[in-house]
Amino acid sequence: QVQLVESGGGVVQPGKSLRLSCVASGFTFSTYGMQWVRQAPGKGLEWVAVIWYDGSNKHYADSVNGRFTISRDNSKNTLYLQVNTPRAEDTAVYYCARLWGLGAFDIWGQGTMVTVSS
Amino acid sequence: EIVLTQSPATLSLSPGERATLSCRASRSVSGFFAWYQQKPGQAPRLLIYDASKRATGIPDRFSGSGSGTDFTLTISSLEPEDFAVYYCQHRSNWLFTFGPGTKLDIK
Repeated sequence: QVQLVESGGGVVQPGKSLRLSCVASGFTFSTYGMQWVRQAPGKGLEWVAVIWYDGSNKHYADSVNGRFTISRDNSKNTLYLQVNTPRAEDTAVYYCARLWGLGAFDIWGQGTMVTVSS
Repeated sequence: EIVLTQSPATLSLSPGERATLSCRASRSVSGFFAWYQQKPGQAPRLLIYDASKRATGIPDRFSGSGSGTDFTLTISSLEPEDFAVYYCQHRSNWLFTFGPGTKLDIK
């Protein structure tokens, strides 16, 4: 079945780095744009970044631009999010999601929790 | 940057009633507009995309409408499983924005 599975979350110290992964299955990963969306504890959804199906274009939310990097390896059906110099406000559940059409997210992973704390 | 405002913040209704959830954009937007449902401990679920198209497997009691700055999600007759948080979302120039959410709870 169509599925996204995230991993790589955990506790990270401010200023350290972390890489999140999202493995896709059940669909042709290389033909879909992909996104990261996060949700701080008890808060709403916040879009983080998008990458085109072939990795040729990437866009970021202002809150993470310059610190986070989205990438993908279509040979491994895997999406990544490199989290550099994290801050306390980056603490959240991070979801990967598939881009549907040109503006929505139709398949979501179960999320991976990132806690930024010393 | 487009800001989305959802109203009401909380909506208390009974099963069988009709729910109308609103989302207003800070300026006129295109049709790249979606609605999601999220239950506690779960990932969001796509309900509506392109403002009015139901996603795969979504019951026809869910409908979306609107254009310009005002968009609406309507649930025609609430089922017990519909009580959740609902988010609107828009895409503009490959930047995506979510609204703050409307919590739909049982009266």
